[in-house]
Amino acid sequence: AQTVTQSQPEMSVQEAETVTLSCTYDTSENNYYLFWYKQPPSRQMILVIRQEAYKQQNATENRFSVNFQKAAKSFSLKISDSQLGDTAMYFCAFMKQPDNDMRFGAGTRLTVKP
Amino acid sequence: KAGVTQTPRYLIKTRGQQVTLSCSPISGHRSVSWYQQTPGQGLQFLFEYFSETQRNKGNFPGRFSGRQFSNSRSEMNVSTLELGDSALYLCASSLGQGSSGYTFGSGTRLTVV
Repeated sequence: AQTVTQSQPEMSVQEAETVTLSCTYDTSENNYYLFWYKQPPSRQMILVIRQEAYKQQNATENRFSVNFQKAAKSFSLKISDSQLGDTAMYFCAFMKQPDNDMRFGAGTRLTVKP
Repeated sequence: KAGVTQTPRYLIKTRGQQVTLSCSPISGHRSVSWYQQTPGQGLQFLFEYFSETQRNKGNFPGRFSGRQFSNSRSEMNVSTLELGDSALYLCASSLGQGSSGYTFGSGTRLTVV
């Protein structure tokens, strides 16, 4: 069974600084997808970034980037120039085809301080 | 383009009752998945529907069921409610396989008293 581990329950960062959230996963599959989702107090899960396991290049979306280490089964999220609106729960997720069930980590609560 | 719509937003039910939650996916999306989110267990997969067929099911008791209609709208039903069913129920939709990522709704907060 695939498991996703987020070892940092809470983190904080000063506005405009950079923060990295950690995620590790366990799988014997070779083809899969990894995601970071953000859940603000509004409750809606928002897709931040995705990575295809067969692509070696790390995904980037504006201020968000990942460090994908397939051999180490590690998928960390880096947020640059942190903004107050980045305050939220962040979930790392794993999915393999054809299951279509997304497995989530326990989440990291990120607080951006002014 | 409208997002994923879940109704109702909040629900309070009594133990032993049953409840039906509704989810309207993004127009054109044919896959709908349901997740239960609790502080203790986190996010857990309930089931996934595609073109009115259940494609995958999580490890939940038979009291949890769902269905999908021809317009891709989905409903989730929980019978004989227990206190432990209190949770945020999230619906997510995608075009097909979900590998591009799901779009989630804002959820239905169910409280069982």
